[in-house]
Amino acid sequence: KQEVTQIPAALSVPEGENLVLNCSFTDSAIYNLQWFRQDPGKGLTSLLLIQSSQREQTSGRLNASLDKSSGRSTLYIAASQPGDSATYLCAVRGVGGGFKTIFGAGTRLFVKA
Amino acid sequence: KAGVTQTPRYLIKTRGQQVTLSCSPISGHRSVSWYQQTPGQGLQFLFEYFSETQRNKGNFPGRFSGRQFSNSRSEMNVSTLELGDSALYLCASSLLTSGEGIRTDTQYFGPGTRLTVL
Repeated sequence: KQEVTQIPAALSVPEGENLVLNCSFTDSAIYNLQWFRQDPGKGLTSLLLIQSSQREQTSGRLNASLDKSSGRSTLYIAASQPGDSATYLCAVRGVGGGFKTIFGAGTRLFVKA
Repeated sequence: KAGVTQTPRYLIKTRGQQVTLSCSPISGHRSVSWYQQTPGQGLQFLFEYFSETQRNKGNFPGRFSGRQFSNSRSEMNVSTLELGDSALYLCASSLLTSGEGIRTDTQYFGPGTRLTVL
């Protein structure tokens, strides 16, 4: 059974700091891994999608890496801004021959101005 | 291109009632997934539909059901509502292509339906 864990659960950093969010999963038989952002009371916004054959993806100040063999992914945020404050969720898709998506519990990020 | 839409955005029901939520995927997307989000359990997978067929189902009781129409729009139904069903219900659509092989793509989420059961 796939389990997804995100560390840390919460993080508070000053503006301008570079930071890394971690995601680990127990079953390496995945189709892809996706990082999302969720603002309070809102839906999810897709940030980056990494297919199982890829090692990393970049979008602006965001870089996500994937190491299937070790069951890990990291989301790197460069030069953090107060607008980055949100909950970041990691989701693994494709479990047990199907297309189920399993989410981590998220990392709540607060960037102080 | 319009995003994923969900209706209604807010619902208040009482225990024992039933509810139907609707999701319209992005045009051209044929896969629709449903999730329940609660503070205690986080985001949990309910079920996924592709071309009107349920492909997967999460670990939820039979009171939770869904369907997908030929235009890819999807509905989920919860019967005999319980207090614990209060949650944000999120729908996501993605483009799945077949032929040379199944390719999975980015899931795009709607704003959700906030269900409160009293």
